[in-house]
Amino acid sequence: EAGVTQSPTHLIKTRGQQATLRCSPISGHTSVYWYQQALGLGLQFLLWYDEGEERNRGNFPPRFSGRQFPNYSSELNVNALELEDSALYLCASSLVGGMITGELFFGEGSRLTVL
Amino acid sequence: DAKTTQPPSMDCAEGRAANLPCNHSTISGNEYVYWYRQIHSQGPQYIIHGLKNNETNEMASLIITEDRKSSTLILPHATLRDTAVYYCIVRPIGSSNTGKLIFGQGTTLQVKP
Repeated sequence: EAGVTQSPTHLIKTRGQQATLRCSPISGHTSVYWYQQALGLGLQFLLWYDEGEERNRGNFPPRFSGRQFPNYSSELNVNALELEDSALYLCASSLVGGMITGELFFGEGSRLTVL
Repeated sequence: DAKTTQPPSMDCAEGRAANLPCNHSTISGNEYVYWYRQIHSQGPQYIIHGLKNNETNEMASLIITEDRKSSTLILPHATLRDTAVYYCIVRPIGSSNTGKLIFGQGTTLQVKP
């Protein structure tokens, strides 16, 4: 069974540009989560999507946005990139029921570098 | 969600049991204890979770004290591949589900030959 897949693996952008990161959840999972892991800051919750709707959002500015498609895959968009957006962006998925018990399945991440 | 406290680092000899402690003195009655680990440059991996009873699966055992203010994750026979950052997370479940796991700094476990 395929796990959570993310693309691209690496992405290099310059300040002010936009970045789009993609995530495909495990088959049958309807919930997708995005986390940011910046150097020295640990894993920070960004967004939670379920059944195409944004369910919760972490403490990030509005230039971080995303969406979930009918096939449950998801995109994370970061507009007006800043240097401090350089980080590993991790996507996770769960059955909604699985999330009730806390088990998230993470992908390997997309490393975004902003120059 | 309750705050957790973990030692920043621990060493363990290969083949021996690794015991990773976690303090969660402000845990509420509806909050579970979860453990994840992150091997370098990979996404976090779920290990185990529990409410108040001890739990065991193929990866590890979780021992929660009777007052639920602390817990210990036990890797019974640590291997070099268990070298990772281990995160102890406390969160409510069910209707309080916010989709958010709060990862602290975790414990860096170094398994040595």
